[in-house]
This record gives sequence, structure tokens and C-alpha cells, in this order.
Amino acid sequence: DSGVTQTPKHLITATGQRVTLRCSPRSGDLSVYWYQQSLDQGLQFLIQYYNGEERAKGNILERFSAQQFPDLHSELNLSSLELGDSALYFCASSVLPVSGNTIYFGEGSWLTVV
Amino acid sequence: AQSVTQLGSHVSVSEGALVLLRCNYSSSVPPYLFWYVQYPNQGLQLLLKYTSAATLVKGINGFEAEFKKSETSFHLTKPSAHMSDAAEYFCAVSDQGAQKLVFGQGTRLTINP
Repeated sequence: DSGVTQTPKHLITATGQRVTLRCSPRSGDLSVYWYQQSLDQGLQFLIQYYNGEERAKGNILERFSAQQFPDLHSELNLSSLELGDSALYFCASSVLPVSGNTIYFGEGSWLTVV
Repeated sequence: AQSVTQLGSHVSVSEGALVLLRCNYSSSVPPYLFWYVQYPNQGLQLLLKYTSAATLVKGINGFEAEFKKSETSFHLTKPSAHMSDAAEYFCAVSDQGAQKLVFGQGTRLTINP
């Protein structure tokens, strides 16, 4: 158990809908990362937050947004869903956003868009 | 920008045989390198990491990796494979600018009895 908690574990929704994925980082970790894992794209970095502020942006679509709240939990919002958004979405956390720091991953949220 | 290439999307070895998973990196600055393992239907678990201390890094479950700057490699090895090692393995480099991880495409390890 990494200490990173993600909910829901599985989600099935229809095209055009909106979903919210939730993440609680490890106790004491200030930095949160979101990754998408799909068969064709592999593990892709989406976005990073540190202590409530956006720190870095990766291959995140405009239909997706995220935020980190004062209690440090984070949410990833996916809207106008398309079939191609079906993937495993990981949240990860680290103490500080410093190169070399260990980044701990949750077990992921499986999203299926039908 | 940093990048990682994992050679071989699938590797199959016999139980008790040597495991060798290859990873080459590209980085304009001294890199921080990681190996993660993903068991079926689970998240990513850190096996080991290189952060510019010893070039031979020992990790969990009997795995180790050697950083070779001249070859820009960070190959993962285990002397004797066990059935429980069957999983997908990811090599990653830490992006110095944003501190995020950049992953390779992964190598699926199969262990034959």
C-alpha cells in the first residue's frame, strides 16, 4: 500500500458525460501528479500540483482540468468524454516536487467510456 | 528534454534464469532514474532509483540496476527469476525542470515454469 488513495476504482460512463476522479496523497506529501495510462500512449503525464498551485502541465486535454484543495487532496475532472478517454488514471504524490524525490502511485481509477 | 527507451516490449525467461530488462535514457543533465513495477490490476510500485550516489543500485525483491553514463543505460537485473516477478516494468527519468517522471513504454516480463 503506497498510501495514495484514489476513488473510484472503476467507472463506466457514456460519451459526452463528465466525471471526477479523486485522490488523497500520502500523509505529509505536498505534491500531486496525475498520469494517464492507455495501451496506445503508455504512461503520460497530465498535470502536477504543489501545495495547491499548478506546477507543471503535460499532455492534458482542454476538456480535462484538475485542482488541489487546501487539505491537499486533488480532483481530476474529465468532461465531454470520448471513447478514446478510456484509460487508467493514476494519481501520485511526493513530499516535494524535487528531482530525485520518490513519487508514490495510487492503484488508479479505471475509466471506461461507452 | 529527457526521454527513456526500453528495449523489448516483451521478455520471457525461465524460472531461475537471469532477468535483464534494458533501459536507455537521454538527458542533457545528470539524470535521476527509476524502475517501477506494475503487477496485474495494480498501481506502480518503486523497485529502485538512482540519484547520483552509487552507480549500482539495489532495490526490492532482489532486483538491482547499474547506471552507466558512457552507455546512457540503466538496465535492471535479477540473478534468478521467480514466478512472482511476472509483471510489467517501467523505466523512468525525472525531468529536472518540472520534477515529473517521464516513462518508457514498459517491458512485460513473463516467467516460464
